[in-house]
Amino acid sequence: TQLLEQSPQFLSIQEGENLTVYCNSSSVFSSLQWYRQEPGEGPVLLVTVVTGGEVKKLKRLTFQFGDARKDSSLHITAAQPGDTGLYLCAGGEDKIIFGKGTRLHILP
Amino acid sequence: DVKVTQSSRYLVKRTGEKVFLECVQDMDHENMFWYRQDPGLGLRLIYFSYDVKMKEKGDIPEGYSVSREKKERFSLILESASTNQTSMYLCASSLIWGNTIYFGEGSWLTVV
Repeated sequence: TQLLEQSPQFLSIQEGENLTVYCNSSSVFSSLQWYRQEPGEGPVLLVTVVTGGEVKKLKRLTFQFGDARKDSSLHITAAQPGDTGLYLCAGGEDKIIFGKGTRLHILP
Repeated sequence: DVKVTQSSRYLVKRTGEKVFLECVQDMDHENMFWYRQDPGLGLRLIYFSYDVKMKEKGDIPEGYSVSREKKERFSLILESASTNQTSMYLCASSLIWGNTIYFGEGSWLTVV
């Protein structure tokens, strides 16, 4: 059974700090997606990573797919209050599975 | 851009009522999904559909049914709502099975 484990579960940091959150599995994925979900809203797709070792940037967000395609990380530079939300990773072949997410709170 | 629209953002229903949650997508996607999201439990798949009139049970189908009469529309039905069905319900769609899923804004259902 494929599982995606996200860490940390919760993270609260000051505005302007940098942070990294992780999405790990013992299984290989052909691709992984990252979503951000703001309170009371549905998840919004941020990025899909496909190639092992791939790095994608979205403004201050940097996404990396592990060389073995079993893990991914999201690094945020100079976090801002607008980055607050639940970050979910997802992947799968027969069935898309989701991690339980990292709940990020940026303090102004 | 993909647009998945859920007809009701907030609903309050009484125990035993029949509840319909409607979802429409505008990108001609083959696959549609209904999830519920609860604190600590993450996203759980209720039902999905890979074609018109086709439906498959997800991980937690008990107490729910679905209908897909048209490609763009996927409805979730609670035949007799119960308080343990109070939750955030998310509709989603994808073009190809196993491909990226796009979500609607969610429907908050409270059963009293």
